[in-house]
Amino acid sequence: DAMVIQNPRYQVTQFGKPVTLSCSQTLNHNVMYWYQQKSSQAPKLLFHYYDKDFNNEADTPDNFQSRRPNTSFCFLDIRSPGLGDAAMYLCATSRELAGVAEQFFGPGTRLTVL
Amino acid sequence: KNQVEQSPQSLIILEGKNCTLQCNYTVSPFSNLRWYKQDTGRGPVSLTIMTFSENTKSNGRYTATLDADTKQSSLHITASQLSDSASYICVVSAKDSSYKLIFGSGTRLLVRP
Repeated sequence: DAMVIQNPRYQVTQFGKPVTLSCSQTLNHNVMYWYQQKSSQAPKLLFHYYDKDFNNEADTPDNFQSRRPNTSFCFLDIRSPGLGDAAMYLCATSRELAGVAEQFFGPGTRLTVL
Repeated sequence: KNQVEQSPQSLIILEGKNCTLQCNYTVSPFSNLRWYKQDTGRGPVSLTIMTFSENTKSNGRYTATLDADTKQSSLHITASQLSDSASYICVVSAKDSSYKLIFGSGTRLLVRP
């Protein structure tokens, strides 16, 4: 089945230790997004890729970086995780940016920072 | 300011009963409105997407309505099942940046046997 896959589902890291979260898709969509969702809050868009074009939201901290080596994969790198970065990280994809392009979400990676 | 408000914040119903969740928005210019279901610890799953010209859209036991004049939407769940227990999130997009989803705070629904 076509889908959005995130690995790992649960990630534990130490304060300040770099961590990478992975997302892959079999939908062949042009756009991939990363969201941060803290407990009982709405998802917050961090950045998105349209093909190879990277677009950072203005309020996304520099601590968060992303890579998209090919259409199928996108990575979220957190260079120096702080306690405040503990959250669910959601990857989503859509065929296009504009219009009524549906966003398909992955199951999320829950990050714990010790 | 573009905002999406949902009510009630939480709801408990008995299995088999119907319920209606409400969404009001102030997003302009309006592009589309979506309802997502999010199970605890999982990513959101799309239920319906509606544009300006659509008043009603159904997906199985879920029926969404949209009144673009009053900027209100509702999600009606018929014959609720235990698996309907989840958060239901109303999400609106503006025309000038339709990929930026404006999320409501969600309604947490608990269906009891």
